[in-house]
Amino acid sequence: SQQGEEDPQALSIQEGENATMNCSYKTSINNLQWYRQNSGRGLVHLILIRSNEREKHSGRLRVTLDTSKKSSSLLITASRAADTASYFCATDGNNDMRFGAGTRLTVKP
Amino acid sequence: GAGVSQTPSNKVTEKGKYVELRCDPISGHTALYWYRQSLGQGPEFLIYFQGTGAADDSGLPNDRFFAVRPEGSVSTLKIQRTERGDSAVYLCASSLTGSATEAFFGQGTRLTVV
Repeated sequence: SQQGEEDPQALSIQEGENATMNCSYKTSINNLQWYRQNSGRGLVHLILIRSNEREKHSGRLRVTLDTSKKSSSLLITASRAADTASYFCATDGNNDMRFGAGTRLTVKP
Repeated sequence: GAGVSQTPSNKVTEKGKYVELRCDPISGHTALYWYRQSLGQGPEFLIYFQGTGAADDSGLPNDRFFAVRPEGSVSTLKIQRTERGDSAVYLCASSLTGSATEAFFGQGTRLTVV
């Protein structure tokens, strides 16, 4: 079964706007990771945030983690058409990784 | 190799046949994961190896599915008596030591059972 749930399921924005995606999960975690997937094939790792961290930045990406609410958010600033992809959060509780159903982001040029 | 390699890229098989999907992880990575992804869904966990042993195989859907990693490197996912519902992209990932480290994914094997 899947651990995380992303919200929204789909998001469509204009180039230059910010995109925010949320992830909620059910059980305690050690880490949470965000991945990106193009064309339904290999996933690319974006960022890992540990359970004792609250916020992390990487380039145009900002990830927050609220363990009390069992939720995380991924913010992509100044979006580009090339950011169009599916985004997944993955959580680990027992040294495996469980994914949600993903958010499909479309950035219109 | 430089990345996780999965072979074949695509596999079409007839219902009832046996298939093997191969994953070559990044050299030195002790953790290896198999996932199954259906269209429009997220990757569904199947099995996790730490070294040669299956640390967690709770995601395998039934006893038609089996995976091995005999030498702690290459892994093979085996599906017996394939069914049309097994059609999906099968993804493999490896990480250096486990979930606390970044996992790298292969491009997947698209399995179609006709």
